[in-house]
Amino acid sequence: GAGVSQSPSNKVTEKGKDVELRCDPISGHTALYWYRQSLGQGLEFLIYFQGNSAPDKSGLPSDRFSAERTGGSVSTLTIQRTQQEDSAVYLCASSLGRGSTEAFFGQGTRLTVV
Amino acid sequence: AQSVTQLDSQVPVFEEAPVELRCNYSSSVSVYLFWYVQYPNQGLQLLLKYLSGSTLVKGINGFEAEFNKSQTSFHLRKPSVHISDTAEYFCAVRYGGATNKLIFGTGTLLAVQP
Repeated sequence: GAGVSQSPSNKVTEKGKDVELRCDPISGHTALYWYRQSLGQGLEFLIYFQGNSAPDKSGLPSDRFSAERTGGSVSTLTIQRTQQEDSAVYLCASSLGRGSTEAFFGQGTRLTVV
Repeated sequence: AQSVTQLDSQVPVFEEAPVELRCNYSSSVSVYLFWYVQYPNQGLQLLLKYLSGSTLVKGINGFEAEFNKSQTSFHLRKPSVHISDTAEYFCAVRYGGATNKLIFGTGTLLAVQP
C-alpha cells in the first residue's frame, strides 16, 4: 500500500512478556518516528531515525524499550518485560526527511498489558 | 527545552459557532508548524502546515491558522464548526537543527454540540 503500515493492529500480552511492534514506512521516506499515545497524554515522542544517522533515542522511557531500523526501511519497536503502564497506542510515522516535510502516520498498534 | 503547549485539553462549542484552539511553542530561530486531526477511532491526518511565507495558512475542512512569531503561537481557527469537526486536534513543531524531530502538544478535544 501507499501509506505507513503497522502490525499488529492490536496486541494483548501478559505482564513480563516481551513484545515487538512493526512499522513499514512509505517507500522512499528516510525519516521514521515512533510515538506513544496514552489516554489524556497526547503523543509522546519515543525515537527518531533519519537515514543512516544515529537515531535520536531521547524519548525512550526506560532501557526496556529499544528500536531498530533495518536497511533504512522497516522498523521494529521492542518492549521487554512489559508492565501495565506500557499499555497505550504506539504510532509510527514517516517523512521524506530533514526540513519541512510533513509526517504521515500509521493506524497504530494498541498494546494492552494484562 | 523544546516544547509545545496546548493549554486547553477540551473545548466545547455549539454547532455553527466559531472556535479557536490555542498552541504555543518554545522560541526558536527556525520552526515548522503543523496541526493534525484525529477523528474518533482513526489515525492522525495533517490539517495544515506553516513552512514559510504568509503567516496565515489555510487547511482542509475550512480550518486556518496564523503563525505569530513574536508570541510564539500558531492558533487554529474555524469561523463556523460542524458536528463532524468533533475530534482531537494536535499541534506539532519541527525545530530546525541537528535532530529535526517532530514534537507534539498534548492535544485538544473539540466537542461540537448541536
